[in-house]
Amino acid sequence: DIQMTQSPSSLSASVGDRVTITCRASQSISRYLNWYQQKPGQAPKILIYAASSFQSGVPSRFSGSGSGTAFTLTISSLQREDFATYYCQQTYITPYTFGQGTKLEIK
Amino acid sequence: QVQLRESGPGLVKPWETLSLTCIVSGGSISGYYWSWIRQPPGKGLEWMGYVYYTGNTNYSPSLKSRVTMSVDTSKNQVSLKLSSMTAADTAFYYCARDGIGASGHDYWGQGTLVTVSS
Repeated sequence: DIQMTQSPSSLSASVGDRVTITCRASQSISRYLNWYQQKPGQAPKILIYAASSFQSGVPSRFSGSGSGTAFTLTISSLQREDFATYYCQQTYITPYTFGQGTKLEIK
Repeated sequence: QVQLRESGPGLVKPWETLSLTCIVSGGSISGYYWSWIRQPPGKGLEWMGYVYYTGNTNYSPSLKSRVTMSVDTSKNQVSLKLSSMTAADTAFYYCARDGIGASGHDYWGQGTLVTVSS
């Protein structure tokens, strides 16, 4: 199985901050990397697919980049509604695997 | 707007088989892969496998011996069965639609909590 490792596991930030979350794959996954946001009590919601493509309706302050084994999710200016847990996932090969999550908390 | 809704028992006894159904509304299940994903309370996400609308399946090796996924196109629903349940299978279970071209899961159900306990 491909292992996905996110860093950091948790992060404290303030409204208006620029935040970057990193995801690394244990082998090359080309650009088959997706990012999800999950708020307490809710199902995950896809933000970015194919490393850098926006899902419809996702605010432009979210962006993704990377290819191969290293990927990033950047939130350019944090809003209060962005405090949540973020997961990366590879869909290059089954079994699809998720990172362990990054919990973004208010400082 | 596509909507997914999981249904099934909230409580299952050890060693029993879990049966969940995911009803899809606002769109057809035809042409898509449908995944099941689970999440133990307070923990991360685990992809369990997918079923194509034709009935073809692909299961996670860690669950392959215990899991069965199926589709019923006439009812626009997908189903999950997981046998020999143990406490380690206690989790929120989500069904989700796979986007075209392995582009992630674009629609999710609200999830259903299944607890394994005698």
